[in-house]
Amino acid sequence: SQQGEEDPQALSIQEGENATMNCSYKTSINNLQWYRQNSGRGLVHLILIRSNEREKHSGRLRVTLDTSKKSSSLLITASRAADTASYFCATDEAAGNKLTFGGGTRVLVKP
Amino acid sequence: NAGVTQTPKFRVLKTGQSMTLLCAQDMNHEYMYWYRQDPGMGLRLIHYSVGEGTTAKGEVPDGYNVSRLKKQNFLLGLESAAPSQTSVYFCASRRNRGPYEQYFGPGTRLTVT
Repeated sequence: SQQGEEDPQALSIQEGENATMNCSYKTSINNLQWYRQNSGRGLVHLILIRSNEREKHSGRLRVTLDTSKKSSSLLITASRAADTASYFCATDEAAGNKLTFGGGTRVLVKP
Repeated sequence: NAGVTQTPKFRVLKTGQSMTLLCAQDMNHEYMYWYRQDPGMGLRLIHYSVGEGTTAKGEVPDGYNVSRLKKQNFLLGLESAAPSQTSVYFCASRRNRGPYEQYFGPGTRLTVT
């Protein structure tokens, strides 16, 4: 079973627009991480937010975490064609040494 | 630094054949992981290791075995391949202390006919 469920499954936007995707999870976590996967490639870590943090920024990325609702969001501002990829949330559970990945959001940024 | 490398990149097997996928990392990471990714889905954990000589089962371990004889290598074995094991396999590693991000290899695309 997958801990994180992402919404939407797919997203198509114009270059310059913002892209927002959401992740919901079920159990207590140490941290939540977002990864990016370009087609046919391995995953690349984008950002990590700890359970005691509510918001984090990294360049054009903004992540929020609401532990009371067990949800997180990833915002990509001023998107570029190069942002076209699949984005996955992954939860690092309180009891474990491993990540549980969501199903991902496929983002298409049209030039 | 090569990071995480996987061998081979592609492989086609017939049902019942066996093979071993090799993962190597040069970052001196304690933890290593094997995942599978099926089309349009996220990653599912097969097995993982928290140190040399240790292994543990993940979410979907059936039909796979692993070994971690050296800290830098993590091997994934398929003893008798089945069509249901057609997938892309990713290896990852991370430090045993924070930050807890995982570093991924480029993947192995396996087809079982």
